[in-house]
Amino acid sequence: SQELEQSPQSLIVQEGKNLTINCTSSKTLYGLYWYKQKYGEGLIFLMMLQKGGEEKSHEKITAKLDEKKQQSSLHITASQPSHAGIYLCGADMTGNTGKLIFGQGTTLQVKP
Amino acid sequence: DADVTQTPRNRITKTGKRIMLECSQTKGHDRMYWYRQDPGLGLRLIYYSFDVKDINKGEISDGYSVSRQAQAKFSLSLESAIPNQTALYFCATSDLAHEQFFGPGTRLTVL
Repeated sequence: SQELEQSPQSLIVQEGKNLTINCTSSKTLYGLYWYKQKYGEGLIFLMMLQKGGEEKSHEKITAKLDEKKQQSSLHITASQPSHAGIYLCGADMTGNTGKLIFGQGTTLQVKP
Repeated sequence: DADVTQTPRNRITKTGKRIMLECSQTKGHDRMYWYRQDPGLGLRLIYYSFDVKDINKGEISDGYSVSRQAQAKFSLSLESAIPNQTALYFCATSDLAHEQFFGPGTRLTVL
């Protein structure tokens, strides 16, 4: 079973629509990282969240870590074709080890 | 120039062959990691190293070995490649802040 579950696994949206991707753990998350990957390429770091209730934004992407630090959401406002790709959440679940566990990824397609 | 480089970028090999994937970084980080990515499974950690003298197994180390030749270099070897090792392999680096920087990946196909 996956320690870090992402939902949905895939998503197709019309350009301009908003969308949310979730990342859920059964354990406390000591650090939660969101990455974006274009198909077959490397991962690009988006945001890091560490404190319960923390929220960060970059351009039209906002990520939140819930108060209990067991779930994070990534929200894209007014999606564009450039947002298409695979979004992965990675988490430190043991505290200060530097090891990350990754979710299985969410594939996003944005239709023009 | 890229901060984390991987060579080769693509490799096709046959079952039973020995393969080495190389990773170099110019970020000055002590920590380096090797992952593999398979469709629907996300990234899984193979090995990690927190400094030149520290090597640790990840969740799927069987069939793999690593060498940390210097702070900047971390190699992954498949001693006898098998078809289910066909995957996209990523090297990553980090400092104590934990954000990991990834290389562009090596696509390995084992026939």
